[in-house]
Amino acid sequence: QKEVEQNSGPLSVPEGAIASLNCTYSDRGSQSFFWYRQYSGKSPELIMFIYSNGDKEDGRFTAQLNKASQYVSLLIRDSQPSDSATYLCAVNPVGNQFYFGTGTSLTVIP
Amino acid sequence: SQTIHQWPATLVQPVGSPLSLECTVEGTSNPNLYWYRQAAGRGLQLLFYSVGIGQISSEVPQNLSASRPQDRQFILSSKKLLLSDSGFYLCAWIGGETGAGYGYTFGSGTRLTVV
Repeated sequence: QKEVEQNSGPLSVPEGAIASLNCTYSDRGSQSFFWYRQYSGKSPELIMFIYSNGDKEDGRFTAQLNKASQYVSLLIRDSQPSDSATYLCAVNPVGNQFYFGTGTSLTVIP
Repeated sequence: SQTIHQWPATLVQPVGSPLSLECTVEGTSNPNLYWYRQAAGRGLQLLFYSVGIGQISSEVPQNLSASRPQDRQFILSSKKLLLSDSGFYLCAWIGGETGAGYGYTFGSGTRLTVV
């Protein structure tokens, strides 16, 4: 079983719509959760992190965490073509080890 | 502010040739440093991490090695490259600009193609 699983997509949404990206993880003791955006040919860029159950909002981005269900999601409101990228979910159980999902490719159609 | 530098950006090397990729961090001291590899269509794979000068932990047995000769310098090496070493190599450290929490900040990456 993979440590972190994401739907590989591709996910396509029209401009202005809400994009919903999902991630599940296997280590119930995981404490920290991160979302990275990776444009084609570029390195990942941290866009959101969340530690506590519930929602965390930052501009058009909302991260949602449910530790009981071992589920973390990222919502992108008012999606823009510039949001087209691969989104990586990362989980930090303890210490220095982070586990990454394989990413979900998002395309926002103008 | 803290920045992470990684070079070269792209590299094409023949099978059996040596490799040296360098990463440096500015604006911080004693950072935890990491080397990741991202193969085409696959997730990020942790190769090495270092918590201090001369301290290297290897996560995946392979023909790669890492060294940390200075506090803010991390080097990835190989004596003889294999075709399977092709990929996107990323250096990272934990920390970064305000708001990054303690997630990774990645360098710009090196695209390695072994031919």
